[in-house]
Amino acid sequence: DTAVSQTPKYLVTQMGNDKSIKCEQNLGHDTMYWYKQDSKKFLKIMFSYNNKELIINETVPNRFSPKSPDKAHLNLHINSLELGDSAVYFCASSRLGQGASYNEQFFGPGTRLTVL
Amino acid sequence: AQSVTQLDSQVPVFEEAPVELRCNYSSSVSVYLFWYVQYPNQGLQLLLKYLSGSTLVKGINGFEAEFNKSQTSFHLRKPSVHISDTAEYFCAVSLGGKLIFGQGTELSVKP
Repeated sequence: DTAVSQTPKYLVTQMGNDKSIKCEQNLGHDTMYWYKQDSKKFLKIMFSYNNKELIINETVPNRFSPKSPDKAHLNLHINSLELGDSAVYFCASSRLGQGASYNEQFFGPGTRLTVL
Repeated sequence: AQSVTQLDSQVPVFEEAPVELRCNYSSSVSVYLFWYVQYPNQGLQLLLKYLSGSTLVKGINGFEAEFNKSQTSFHLRKPSVHISDTAEYFCAVSLGGKLIFGQGTELSVKP
């Protein structure tokens, strides 16, 4: 069974559209994350949720809105998509919550978003 | 503020040769250090981690890394690489619930 899963794997859409990416983890972890990997493969955290509560928001535009219906799911909704949003988005989860420095994260397979 | 620098963006190497991927970090506090590997079109997989204790850390697939506090480094090594080691490798530090990644090193193993 996949520990951290994301859907869809590929997403191609037009500028201005609204889209969502879903993430689910079956590891029983409390904390989930979204990372963005740009075309140069640089990885940067976007959001972190601990038990459905937002704890990290790394100056991401308001067009990006994470939603956590329960601690096993963290979805990413993006409004008014722009060309610069094209990237690979990775979901991750970890056992320990806010404030813990030790933070082994388990990553999903990624969603490649292409905005035309 | 913490940052991570991977000194080589690309490392080409022949099969069965040794390899070292370099990582330096800057931090004003104690750190937890990680190496992740990303195979083509896949997610990230943890290779190894340093939390405390022995400075030589062994990971999966024959990789190891050495934590050097005085040089603020955490270089990754493998004595003999295989074609299947071709991938992107990321060094990362953990702070306050988030991972800060280096820029990545593309390891290309040639026959």
